[in-house]
Amino acid sequence: KQEVTQIPAALSVPEGENLVLNCSFTDSAIYNLQWFRQDPGKGLTSLLLIQSSQREQTSGRLNASLDKSSGRSTLYIAASQPGDSATYLCAVSLFSGGYNKLIFGAGTRLAVHP
Amino acid sequence: DTAVSQTPKYLVTQMGNDKSIKCEQNLGHDTMYWYKQDSKKFLKIMFSYNNKELIINETVPNRFSPKSPDKAHLNLHINSLELGDSAVYFCASSATDLYEQYFGPGTRLTVT
Repeated sequence: KQEVTQIPAALSVPEGENLVLNCSFTDSAIYNLQWFRQDPGKGLTSLLLIQSSQREQTSGRLNASLDKSSGRSTLYIAASQPGDSATYLCAVSLFSGGYNKLIFGAGTRLAVHP
Repeated sequence: DTAVSQTPKYLVTQMGNDKSIKCEQNLGHDTMYWYKQDSKKFLKIMFSYNNKELIINETVPNRFSPKSPDKAHLNLHINSLELGDSAVYFCASSATDLYEQYFGPGTRLTVT
């Protein structure tokens, strides 16, 4: 059974710091891994998607890496800003019953203060 | 333009009632999903449809019945609502089950 764990559960940092959010998964047979952002009371916004054959993806100040063999992914946020405050969710795509489905971690709640 | 929309945004109802949540996507995607986010914020898939055909049906009480009238719409009907059904329900879509998923804003269901 695929389990996704995110560490830390919560993080509070001053503005300007570089951050690393961690995601680990128990079954390395994933199709892809997706990082999402969720603002309070809102839906999920897709940040980055890494295919299983890729090692990393970058978008602006965000960089996500994937080490499938060790079951780990990290989301690196450079020069954090108060607007980055949100919950960050990691999800792996698991092939089951002929189709792929996303298995989510519990998220890391990030607060960036001025 | 809203890519994935859900109605209603909030739903407050009493135990035993029947209610429906609607979802529409204008992205031209073939696959749509329903997720449940419980009070601990844990997000879990409930159902998935591909081209109006049910492809994923997790261990969900049969009081929950999804329906996809066409590729762009996926509705969720819940019978005999229980307190434990209180949660935020998210709809999502993707080109196929292999690709990036796009989420709606969620429907917060409160059962009293």
